[in-house]
Amino acid sequence: GQQVMQIPQYQHVQEGEDFTTYCNSSTTLSNIQWYKQRPGGHPVFLIQLVKSGEVKKQKRLTFQFGEAKKNSSLHITATQTTDVGTYFCAGLKNSGGSNYKLTFGKGTLLTVNP
Amino acid sequence: ETGVTQSPTHLIKTRGQQVTLRCSSQSGHNTVSWYQQALGQGPQFIFQYYREEENGRGNFPPRFSGLQFPNYSSELNVNALELDDSALYLCASSAGQGPLSGANVLTFGAGSRLTVL
Repeated sequence: GQQVMQIPQYQHVQEGEDFTTYCNSSTTLSNIQWYKQRPGGHPVFLIQLVKSGEVKKQKRLTFQFGEAKKNSSLHITATQTTDVGTYFCAGLKNSGGSNYKLTFGKGTLLTVNP
Repeated sequence: ETGVTQSPTHLIKTRGQQVTLRCSSQSGHNTVSWYQQALGQGPQFIFQYYREEENGRGNFPPRFSGLQFPNYSSELNVNALELDDSALYLCASSAGQGPLSGANVLTFGAGSRLTVL
């Protein structure tokens, strides 16, 4: 079945340092989504990438979708303590007919030392 | 607009018991998905409901079942509870399906934390 792998599993940085998490799918995806889950909270949607090679920015966050639509990355510039949380990628793939299935990676837990 | 609400927020059961978790979808959303999230793991897809029918299922045994009602709210039922069923159960609603629109973007509820003793 479809697998979505994320690395690293954990990342601890000093405030102001950059952070990157990588996501890789075993199969070609229809699109990829990124979610953030704060400690004790629930996943919250950040962004969706649809096109091959797409790059999107949200303030200090940069998201990329690979040319083959099998990998993606999230880069945070100059981390802040408010960036703390687990970042999940989720790959959307057609599961038959008009049905689509969203498969989540295990996430990268980011902690930031002030 | 109201978000996704789940109940109960926490519950404790013993092995072999049955549990029902409830979810009200966000206004305007017609699709509900259920996920199981074990501690330190990503959400695992259980199943999805659209127009009151299951239209996708993950690798979960038949003792995990669900319903969707005409108002798009949903229930997750788990029979014969096992210790490994202890997890956060997340309900997420979306406006539909399809990869090119925002219809498949999930809005999650706060979850129901189930502990099985």
